[in-house]
Amino acid sequence: QKEVEQNSGPLSVPEGAIASLNCTYSDRGSQSFFWYRQYSGKSPELIMFIYSNGDKEDGRFTAQLNKASQYVSLLIRDSQPSDSATYLCAVKSWGGKLIFGQGTELSVKP
Amino acid sequence: NAGVTQTPKFQVLKTGQSMTLQCAQDMNHNSMYWYRQDPGMGLRLIYYSASEGTTDKGEVPNGYNVSRLNKREFSLRLESAAPSQTSVYFCASSELTVGTEAFFGQGTRLTVV
Repeated sequence: QKEVEQNSGPLSVPEGAIASLNCTYSDRGSQSFFWYRQYSGKSPELIMFIYSNGDKEDGRFTAQLNKASQYVSLLIRDSQPSDSATYLCAVKSWGGKLIFGQGTELSVKP
Repeated sequence: NAGVTQTPKFQVLKTGQSMTLQCAQDMNHNSMYWYRQDPGMGLRLIYYSASEGTTDKGEVPNGYNVSRLNKREFSLRLESAAPSQTSVYFCASSELTVGTEAFFGQGTRLTVV
């Protein structure tokens, strides 16, 4: 079992819709959770992080964390074609280890 | 402010050759990481260094060695390159504190023929 798992997609949504990206992790000792966006040929860039149970909102993005279920998600509201990218879930443990999932490719159709 | 700098950007090696990928950060971060990225497989952790003087294996350490030269620099060495090591390599740095993000270099595209 991989330490961090995501649906690889591709996930296709129409412009203006909500895109929902999901991630599960296996280490119950994980402390903080990150969503990165990566455009083709580029380096990953941070969208959001969360470390407390519940929701965290930043503009069109909402991260949700459920430590009991070992589940973290990212919602993108009012999706735009410029949101088309690969979204990477990452999990950080005590001791600094940072593990990524395989990424979910999102395509937003105009 | 350069952030995380990796060299080289591109490299072609013959099977069996050795090389060192260099990484330096100017953000005074304690933790540094090396990842490889293959199509459809996300970023896989090769080695990391939580703080100066320590290194630990990640998910895919075989065939690689690392050196944390000082707080700024973390190098990745391929002793005898194999075609299976053809990949894009990313270096990253972060504070050790929970909740702090990792910043990435621009990547090194390595081809082993």
